[in-house]
Amino acid sequence: NAGVTQTPKFRILKIGQSMTLQCAQDMNHNYMYWYRQDPGMGLKLIYYSVGAGITDKGEVPNGYNVSRSTTEDFPLRLELAAPSQTSVYFCASSYDGAKGNQPQHFGDGTRLSIL
Amino acid sequence: GESVGLHLPTLSVQEGDNSIINCAYSNSASDYFIWYKQESGKGPQFIIDIRSNMDKRQGQRVTVLLNKTVKHLSLQIAATQPGDSAVYFCAENSGGSNYKLTFGKGTLLTVNP
Repeated sequence: NAGVTQTPKFRILKIGQSMTLQCAQDMNHNYMYWYRQDPGMGLKLIYYSVGAGITDKGEVPNGYNVSRSTTEDFPLRLELAAPSQTSVYFCASSYDGAKGNQPQHFGDGTRLSIL
Repeated sequence: GESVGLHLPTLSVQEGDNSIINCAYSNSASDYFIWYKQESGKGPQFIIDIRSNMDKRQGQRVTVLLNKTVKHLSLQIAATQPGDSAVYFCAENSGGSNYKLTFGKGTLLTVNP
C-alpha cells in the first residue's frame, strides 16, 4: 500500500490564482481530512469527510473547497489564492469501524507559497 | 483556547538516554489520544495511541502514560537514538469525537551523539 499520496509536493502561486491539491489513499479508509500547518504551529483542520459524497467544515475552512466523489480521493481547492494561505497542507485518512477511534495516517504534504 | 500544548518547547538529550515528552490537554471529555512524530519535510507519523480506559500503553521503545486526573499525557522513549530527532505532537479526539483531532504545537527533540 502507498498509504496517503499528495501531489504536488511544492507549488508557488500568484495572488488570485487557483489550484487543486490532490490527495489519494489506498487503505479503504472512510474518513479523510485536510489540515494546514504554519511554522511552529500544530495542525489546523480545514475540511473533513466521513464518506463519499459527505464533506464538512473544520476549524479554518474560509478560502477553500473540497469534494469527495470517491472513497479514495479528497481534493482541496483554492479558488483565489491569498498570501495568508501560504502554508504546508497535509491530507490524512482514518478508518471508523466497530473499534471506535483509529489513528489518522498522513501524507507527506504540499508546500504552497502565495506570492 | 488551544486545548493541547503551548509554545513549541525543545528537549535535548544524549544518545542512549531516555526521553520524556509531556503534553497537557484541557478537554476532560476527550477519550482517545495519539502521539505523532514529524521529521523535517515529512508528514506526521503515527507512533502510539491510548484510550481513556487505560493509563499506560507500551510499544517498541515507547511508552505512553495518561493521567486523567490532571489531564496530562507523556511519551517516554527508551534508549533515544539520533533517528528519534524530530518534532513530537500529541493529539486528542476533541470531546470524544470519532474523527476530529486537536493537535498541540509539538516538542522538538534533539538527540546528541
